[in-house]
Parts: sequence; structure tokens; C-alpha cells
Amino acid sequence: GAGVSQSPSNKVTEKGKDVELRCDPISGHTALYWYRQSLGQGLEFLIYFQGNSAPDKSGLPSDRFSAERTGGSVSTLTIQRTQQEDSAVYLCASKGRAGELFFGEGSRLTVL
Amino acid sequence: GEDVEQSLFLSVREGDSSVINCTYTDSSSTYLYWYKQEPGAGLQLLTYIFSNMDMKQDQRLTVLLNKKDKHLSLRIADTQTGDSAIYFCAERGAGGFQKLVFGTGTRLLVSP
Repeated sequence: GAGVSQSPSNKVTEKGKDVELRCDPISGHTALYWYRQSLGQGLEFLIYFQGNSAPDKSGLPSDRFSAERTGGSVSTLTIQRTQQEDSAVYLCASKGRAGELFFGEGSRLTVL
Repeated sequence: GEDVEQSLFLSVREGDSSVINCTYTDSSSTYLYWYKQEPGAGLQLLTYIFSNMDMKQDQRLTVLLNKKDKHLSLRIADTQTGDSAIYFCAERGAGGFQKLVFGTGTRLLVSP
């Protein structure tokens, strides 16, 4: 596609529920990143994919967070048993030739 | 580890120049980037500079890099109210995974 697409754009859920966030990167981009932006904060790195493999999962905050990528394209970030501190904007990006990241509009997660 | 720091807030009048500053710690940084985030939106890449350059100009934007002091700045000439946003600097290290490390962002407010 023309840009990075994320869905849903907004998600409100109850504490303890699982959520799935989806990212569709720019066509042909092999590297994909997930970041998290909490209110008034900078960007926190979560995970990086090269193709379908995730060589760097160092940023995942707990084992409730997981991500996968299939077919070298779409990625899904899953948060199990959501907590209120998981509320944030989850940003996905794919990487261009100069290493620049192209971001989607983000998925705003609110955990009540 | 890598760290990127920015001042939190800058206020200027329309028509003035804005200078947003950033310092980083990773001396192996290869590329440095400036992103703009408008309210409720994702991050938009403004410009980037390779570490062997000391200046890059792109229309109203001028990036200056002092690699010795690990200092990066973004100058916006003739600042407009539409430039009001949060500006993030980011650096990419030379490590294998090449994730971008972001600063906490500088909120630019342009008053008429």
C-alpha cells in the first residue's frame, strides 16, 4: 500500500481482556517495528521484525506482550490480560532504504 | 546504552526562526532523523542526515550536526502556526538491528 496502515485506530477494552493490534507495512519493506507512546512520553521500542523473524524482542515489557509476522507482511501485536498501564498509542513502522522509519497513524488503546 | 535528550518545550512567534536541539550519546550513530507529530497523528519523517555530514538544508529546514559534541539541531525558518507540533529527534546506531532511539520530543508552539 501507499503507507503503513494500522487497525483499529482506537480500542477501548476492559482490564483483563486480550487485544490484537494489526499493522500492514509499506509494500516491499522487509523490516517492521513496533513502538509504544504513552501519554506525554517519547517512543518506547517494543519489537523488531526482519522478514518473519524477530531478532530483537528486547523491548517487550512483559510476557503478556507478543507479536508475530506472517508472509513477511502483516504483523499482529497481542496483549493478553490487559492492564491499565498498557494504555498507550501503539505505533508500527516499516523501514526505508536510508533506515528511515515510516510510521502508521497508530492504534490508541485505552484499558478501563 | 543509547540515550537521546531534547528540551521539552519551545515557544516562538510566527515568522521567527525556531531552533530545536537534541543531544545523543551513541558515538556510532550512522543516521540521525527529525520527525514531526501533530495532535492525534503518527510520526511524519521531516528529514535525516548521515553522520558524515555536518549540515543539510531542505527548503525551510536546516539540520546541523556536531558529531564531536553529539549535538543535532533543527532550524525552521519563517515558522508558521502550522508548524506547531511535537518534534522528535532519533538516532540509528551501527548495531545489527538498527532500531531508532527517540528523544522525548520538543513541543513547539507558534503564536500569531
